[in-house]
Amino acid sequence: GEDVEQSLFLSVREGDSSVINCTYTDSSSTYLYWYKQEPGAGLQLLTYIFSNMDMKQDQRLTVLLNKKDKHLSLRIADTQTGDSAIYFCAVGNYQLIWGAGTKLIIKP
Amino acid sequence: GAVVSQHPSRVICKSGTSVKIECRSLDFQATTMFWYRQFPKQSLMLMATSNEGSKATYEQGVEKDKFLINHASLTLSTLTVTSAHPEDSSFYICSAKPGGSGNQPQHFGDGTRLSIL
Repeated sequence: GEDVEQSLFLSVREGDSSVINCTYTDSSSTYLYWYKQEPGAGLQLLTYIFSNMDMKQDQRLTVLLNKKDKHLSLRIADTQTGDSAIYFCAVGNYQLIWGAGTKLIIKP
Repeated sequence: GAVVSQHPSRVICKSGTSVKIECRSLDFQATTMFWYRQFPKQSLMLMATSNEGSKATYEQGVEKDKFLINHASLTLSTLTVTSAHPEDSSFYICSAKPGGSGNQPQHFGDGTRLSIL
């Protein structure tokens, strides 16, 4: 079946940029999403990108899509302690295929 | 932005009890709602897809008689865990997908943490 893969952990220093990567197998996915989950909480939609786009920027967040390599990344500029969370990549059209999530750890 | 309200946020009950979880879209109509289950430190597992006015579509391995889903209106879907047992303890999350033209992202509720004693 289709698959979405992410690294389980990413550690960055406060103030640096964080880049969370995701690879997927379903080339027919039209919509690619990034969700954030803080400890004990539900899911928050951070941003999403259409498959006909290469890049989307929203304040500190930049999403890059490489359709050829089926690679999606989320860059968080000036990472803050409040960015500590698990970040999920999800792709699909109707039903979503989810990655396992990347836990972002912020070092002081 | 689109808001999805999920209640209750936490339930603790005895084994054998049935528990109902509500998922409401507050400012949009949701023709489709999804129910997920999340085990500790794992990703979300889709349990079922709920379409307003029709029977839910369950994923393989999910017991439809155990997890009853009702989507009676465009703003409300309910998940009832019948005769819950400790192995049903989990974090349940719903999402709602706005209707209308074009594809819209799913918006999630805050989840319900179910603990069966």
